[in-house]
Amino acid sequence: SQQGEEDPQALSIQEGENATMNCSYKTSINNLQWYRQNSGRGLVHLILIRSNEREKHSGRLRVTLDTSKKSSSLLITASRAADTASYFCATVWMDSSYKLIFGSGTRLLVRP
Amino acid sequence: GAVVSQHPSRVICKSGTSVKIECRSLDFQATTMFWYRQFPKKSLMLMATSNEGSKATYEQGVEKDKFLINHASLTLSTLTVTSAHPEDSSFYICSAPGGGPTIRDIQYFGAGTRLSVL
Repeated sequence: SQQGEEDPQALSIQEGENATMNCSYKTSINNLQWYRQNSGRGLVHLILIRSNEREKHSGRLRVTLDTSKKSSSLLITASRAADTASYFCATVWMDSSYKLIFGSGTRLLVRP
Repeated sequence: GAVVSQHPSRVICKSGTSVKIECRSLDFQATTMFWYRQFPKKSLMLMATSNEGSKATYEQGVEKDKFLINHASLTLSTLTVTSAHPEDSSFYICSAPGGGPTIRDIQYFGAGTRLSVL
């Protein structure tokens, strides 16, 4: 079953604006990852944050992790039309099985 | 980065037939691969963990006789949907963790297979 929920389920913004997506999970984790999926395609890894990290940056992406609240956020700055996609958080549990448990996803639409 | 190839990308079949989907790691070895199922506008549901040289581990509620998994080599896992029915129509995606000892947590995904059962 799904590990957690993401909100919003859908987000529509204007090109150049920032997009923030939130993810909550339920159990202790080894790390949390964000993936992107273009419609009808596979997933692409964006960024990984470990359980002992609080914030991480990669280009226009900023991820935060709050293990006390079991939540994470993904911020995409200066969005582009090409950022239009679905974004999923995924957690890796402490049992080191490498299984990814995905959140419900946020569908992002960036209007040109 | 590591590449996972999934084939076919789309298959349409008649009810009652079996369909095989292949997942290959092209430039790295994968002792473990994962198979997911995704419904329209929904998240990925983990179906099973494919283990090279041993039996697959299925998630709760997934019929192992319906979804046969074979991981015959370090670069190939196959998912066979046996006696497919319209309710098996879905998007199936495979992934493999890799491709080195320090980044096994990152998974590389195939492009997915859209199965339509008539």
